[in-house]
Amino acid sequence: LAKTTQPISMDSYEGQEVNITCSHNNIATNDYITWYQQFPSQGPRFIIQGYKTKVTNEVASLFIPADRKSSTLSLPRVSLSDTAVYYCLVGGLGTGGFKTIFGAGTRLFVKA
Amino acid sequence: EAGVTQFPSHSVIEKGQTVTLRCDPISGHDNLYWYRRVMGKEIKFLLHFVKESKQDESGMPNNRFLAERTGGTYSTLKVQPAELEDSGVYFCASSQDGRVYGYTFGSGTRLTVV
Repeated sequence: LAKTTQPISMDSYEGQEVNITCSHNNIATNDYITWYQQFPSQGPRFIIQGYKTKVTNEVASLFIPADRKSSTLSLPRVSLSDTAVYYCLVGGLGTGGFKTIFGAGTRLFVKA
Repeated sequence: EAGVTQFPSHSVIEKGQTVTLRCDPISGHDNLYWYRRVMGKEIKFLLHFVKESKQDESGMPNNRFLAERTGGTYSTLKVQPAELEDSGVYFCASSQDGRVYGYTFGSGTRLTVV
């Protein structure tokens, strides 16, 4: 199972774009990359998922280079409410079970 | 659509006692997962149900933990007898087809064993 490495913490200011990079050097061919957000006293919340190139939804973009050994979550114009822990996960797609490995996550702190 | 619901939200028990945690997944989600985070550690996978069957229980720490999902609806996770190191937050998640992007997590049960 691919292990992920992320920065432990990041600081930003309201209105800025935040990019969080995750390394997953041992990603397998059928693995997808998924990002979750977690606020205190809540469970993780799905943000975005991708396999390669770029994926964009209403809250974030995910950039994945051709070798797929890393990925970058981009949060446009963050607000104070984006202060949370962000997890990068790598796992296989399909039916049946697989162990989803959570890393330590990146604690993002957005300041006014 | 109701989310994943976990009961209780907090539980404080003495060492040696039994505690049962409950998870109600999103209706129609065949896949149900249990995770936990013990103090200061990362979120760890415990097990995965597909309907009422245990698909993968390799993350269960020992035989003091018993998970059930009778009828393929809600699930329970029993800890008997509880030990101090079992303290932490237990999360449940469900998904429709087992794919990672479909996971919806509950808010967790904070278990404290004293």
